[in-house]
Amino acid sequence: DVKVTQSSRYLVKRTGEKVFLECVQDMDHENMFWYRQDPGLGLRLIYFSYDVKMKEKGDIPEGYSVSREKKERFSLILESASTNQTSMYLCASSPWDRGGEKLFFGSGTQLSVL
Amino acid sequence: EDQVTQSPEALRLQEGESSSLNCSYTVSGLRGLFWYRQDPGKGPEFLFTLYSAGEEKEKERLKATLTKKESFLHITAPKPEDSATYLCAVQARGGATNKLIFGTGTLLAVQP
Repeated sequence: DVKVTQSSRYLVKRTGEKVFLECVQDMDHENMFWYRQDPGLGLRLIYFSYDVKMKEKGDIPEGYSVSREKKERFSLILESASTNQTSMYLCASSPWDRGGEKLFFGSGTQLSVL
Repeated sequence: EDQVTQSPEALRLQEGESSSLNCSYTVSGLRGLFWYRQDPGKGPEFLFTLYSAGEEKEKERLKATLTKKESFLHITAPKPEDSATYLCAVQARGGATNKLIFGTGTLLAVQP
């Protein structure tokens, strides 16, 4: 069974902390994504990557960075966490096929920044 | 600007009571429209992809249809296990090939 695993289900951090969210997929997918999901705003794309060491900005990249050193792992980094980054973070992957729209999602990390 | 609007925001049905969820979209050129299901505490799960007006896809009690301006997710004789949030997303032609634009979802509750 295919799997996208996010390292933490719940995370509580303080304002100003550097935060790492980790995501691992076991499907040998080329594409990986980070979304955040907020009530009333839906899923918004933060960053995506279509290959190792490659990254592209999504719609809301400000305050975030990413790292993809290995094909199976895609990390989201909050350089200095702020309260407006409290959200549900979802990682996804997809194969390189028809633009990769069939996304496989992890279960999400609920991040609270105090 | 590319946009996806879903309605209603929430829908409560009795078991067996059929209904439809709407997804209207404005996009410069549609590459594809997608439906996902999201259960509480989980990530979205892929249901369907539709590529052109007139196309239909079915899976169990769900049927997705597409026109040039909107998509419908028809739910026939729903069961309580169909309760979830249903998300619609579009992918535009000419944009980043991996970028989906999501709607805010319809929260469906099916009561026994």
